[in-house]
Amino acid sequence: GENVEQHPSTLSVQEGDSAVIKCTYSDSASNYFPWYKQELGKRPQLIIDIRSNVGEKKDQRIAVTLNKTAKHFSLHITETQPEDSAVYFCAASKGSSYKLIFGSGTRLLVRP
Amino acid sequence: EAGVTQFPSHSVIEKGQTVTLRCDPISGHDNLYWYRRVMGKEIKFLLHFVKESKQDESGMPNNRFLAERTGGTYSTLKVQPAELEDSGVYFCASSQDFASTQFFGPGTRLTVL
Repeated sequence: GENVEQHPSTLSVQEGDSAVIKCTYSDSASNYFPWYKQELGKRPQLIIDIRSNVGEKKDQRIAVTLNKTAKHFSLHITETQPEDSAVYFCAASKGSSYKLIFGSGTRLLVRP
Repeated sequence: EAGVTQFPSHSVIEKGQTVTLRCDPISGHDNLYWYRRVMGKEIKFLLHFVKESKQDESGMPNNRFLAERTGGTYSTLKVQPAELEDSGVYFCASSQDFASTQFFGPGTRLTVL
């Protein structure tokens, strides 16, 4: 069935360093890839998304890249700050259903 | 603009009891989704409403789960009877149309003892 694998499960970086989280999806028909950030005790919030007709998208310190051939996409956070500490979820969906298939999450810790 | 709201925020029940979770989507959002996260694993899709109709209920685990969205506004998810493995965080999300961003609620943490 549809599956999204996410790595790493935990990531610890020094403030100011970059963080990269990678996801691989199984359904080649997937065409929408959002990233959600969930801070402790709060709701998941969309931070960036990308559609299959684009290879890269950037929003300030956050960027997402998509490789459709390899069926993987990545989240890049530059100049990390302590407030970036959270659990990050990648997801994939396709036009026929729009349900989100989530990865298992990455717990990011940014050390001051 | 008010976000997606869910009630209750926490629920602790005993095995065999019934629990009803409620979700109020963002006003005007026809699409409403239920998801759950069990034991720190991935967030899993349960079902999708378009207005009052069930568009996709392929993720519902079994017939102990019943979702409704009468009138196409708020939705309820009832678990009857609850089992230990139903424990987890139940999220609701809504979107304006099929292809637009899904906005999540804060979740209901369900604990079945």
